[in-house]
Amino acid sequence: GAVVSQHPSWVICKSGTSVKIECRSLDFQATTMFWYRQFPKQSLMLMATSNEGSKATYEQGVEKDKFLINHASLTLSTLTVTSAHPEDSSFYICSATPGRGGLNEQFFGPGTRLTVL
Amino acid sequence: SQKIEQNSEALNIQEGKTATLTCNYTNYSPAYLQWYRQDPGRGPVFLLLIRENEKEKRKERLKVTFDTTLKQSLFHITASQPADSATYLCALGPQGGGYQKVTFGTGTKLQVIP
Repeated sequence: GAVVSQHPSWVICKSGTSVKIECRSLDFQATTMFWYRQFPKQSLMLMATSNEGSKATYEQGVEKDKFLINHASLTLSTLTVTSAHPEDSSFYICSATPGRGGLNEQFFGPGTRLTVL
Repeated sequence: SQKIEQNSEALNIQEGKTATLTCNYTNYSPAYLQWYRQDPGRGPVFLLLIRENEKEKRKERLKVTFDTTLKQSLFHITASQPADSATYLCALGPQGGGYQKVTFGTGTKLQVIP
């Protein structure tokens, strides 16, 4: 149980285009989903936290107009990288947790490798 | 600001031995600490959580200790196997508990040699 999927697993796009990444919890309802970015040999950096039905909370330094997050249902969150540039190339990982508080573990998706040419 | 330190150098260990990974932190008092495993090109997988009032936690061949005085957690894998080779991440929970946003360390790469 507790499986989180991401789609696509990798994407290559031209500079200036927008890319949408989907994150789905397959066998549980995810009240909260997190979006991370990870550069090679670096740690996971939290970009934003999204709770179903409300606006995402972005971390300091993350542009909310560039990284659009939608958490429309308890099983789906999407991250759209708008007007992508080469510096946005990274490994994007989502995670989901069934509860709003407490010590619930996070279940991570397999990640999406974005390459912007 | 809070700082999490994991040994950035890879840890090479012989199969069958116990691997010990370290996670140190400063300027912070997390309510709990988590350990994750990450394989190349994949998302992390949760392994263990230890609360601030717990000294030690075990799960099969895994053992985690948490010393809030030293601000350090140790992660042990006993009877290590080549399949244990991966990067291991520690993650600090928030001060006071509750909301489950965590902050990750950079991870330590473990290589178990047959």
